[in-house]
Amino acid sequence: DTAVSQTPKYLVTQMGNDKSIKCEQNLGHDTMYWYKQDSKKFLKIMFSYNNKELIINETVPNRFSPKSPDKAHLNLHINSLELGDSAVYFCASGRGGRETQYFGPGTRLLVL
Amino acid sequence: DAKTTQPNSMESNEEEPVHLPCNHSTISGTDYIHWYRQLPSQGPEYVIHGLTSNVNNRMASLAIAEDRKSSTLILHRATLRDAAVYYCILKIYAVGGGSQGNLIFGKGTKLSVKP
Repeated sequence: DTAVSQTPKYLVTQMGNDKSIKCEQNLGHDTMYWYKQDSKKFLKIMFSYNNKELIINETVPNRFSPKSPDKAHLNLHINSLELGDSAVYFCASGRGGRETQYFGPGTRLLVL
Repeated sequence: DAKTTQPNSMESNEEEPVHLPCNHSTISGTDYIHWYRQLPSQGPEYVIHGLTSNVNNRMASLAIAEDRKSSTLILHRATLRDAAVYYCILKIYAVGGGSQGNLIFGKGTKLSVKP
């Protein structure tokens, strides 16, 4: 029973394309997150979202947009992909500001 | 979130205890000390957290200095599976969502475990 799942696991695409990464959690959490881990292994928050509020890290380009069809899903849409978008993207969920977050296995995006 | 300082890397022998230090001299009264780890090619996973008192769980122990300016994650018997990057993170405890739930990761400590 995977708590936080992401699809696809690997994504290889060309510059300029638009792609989406899906995330689902079955933990009943009210808040979901997207993190980016670059080639130097730095993990940075991109978005946090619950049914009331979307918090966007100011460094995230507006080509990135989270979409939440329901509380259990937070998908990441990326428009006009660039080489620098190549990274591992992790989805996570938690109970808002409380305690632990649970991370998905990551999606490895390679932009050629 | 306040910053933390950790050694870049540490080595341990299998089945020996490991003490991973973390300095957080600018910690505030509302900051909880969280530890996460990231095994190779996996997402981060929660290890332990605490506020003032030492904490124990099935994975590890967390020893918090009396002045809360430093803490130590203790793995009682390291196994090969414990080889990972360990992150010490300060997080404000807050009910509800928003940016206070975000985890601000530093560089962490890369732990190597030798058989």
